[in-house]
Amino acid sequence: GQNIDQPTEMTATEGAIVQINCTYQTSGFNGLFWYQQHAGEAPTFLSYNVLDGLEEKGRFSSFLSRSKGYSYLLLKELQMKDSASYLCAVLLGNNDMRFGAGTRLTVKP
Amino acid sequence: DAGVIQSPRHEVTEMGQEVTLRCKPISGHDYLFWYRQTMMRGLELLIYFNNNVPIDDSGMPEDRFSAKMPNASFSTLKIQPSEPRDSAVYFCASSRAQGGTDTQYFGPGTRLTVL
Repeated sequence: GQNIDQPTEMTATEGAIVQINCTYQTSGFNGLFWYQQHAGEAPTFLSYNVLDGLEEKGRFSSFLSRSKGYSYLLLKELQMKDSASYLCAVLLGNNDMRFGAGTRLTVKP
Repeated sequence: DAGVIQSPRHEVTEMGQEVTLRCKPISGHDYLFWYRQTMMRGLELLIYFNNNVPIDDSGMPEDRFSAKMPNASFSTLKIQPSEPRDSAVYFCASSRAQGGTDTQYFGPGTRLTVL
């Protein structure tokens, strides 16, 4: 089977930094995606990693280590609007994308 | 661009009824995906199409589910007969190509409740 694990919930303070981890054990790997999903809304694309290393995009960064089956999403200068679920997804191949259960992040004042 | 369009946004029906969900992908996107999201199982891929042809339907739960894509701008997901356990949010997504920067763009979803 395909396993994609991430913490269920996290809480952080406005202005702080938070790191959301994702580990995966899958039969294939063609890239790892992070999506943001606000309650009652559709997932929206945040980042994509296919090679090892850090990808930075504004306040958000994503890291990948393929040998360790590990990724993290780093959110800096947290804002209240960052409260959402963050979904880690692995592209197995042929457009077969498997999602983790998501991490619900709550940002407090 | 209008993005991926789904209808209806909400559907409440009774067990045993037929349900049809509709999707219009982003123009120019060759891939279309149907997902189901529940609290218990998260986001699951049901089926996807490439150039209107179903490629992988291994995620379709059972024969009560069927999907079609008669042309590049329209797809349907049908449940017949519906059951309470089908209650979920159904998302349609589209992309230009496989993976990479051609990410999948999700529609707003259809929240289905089967009583």
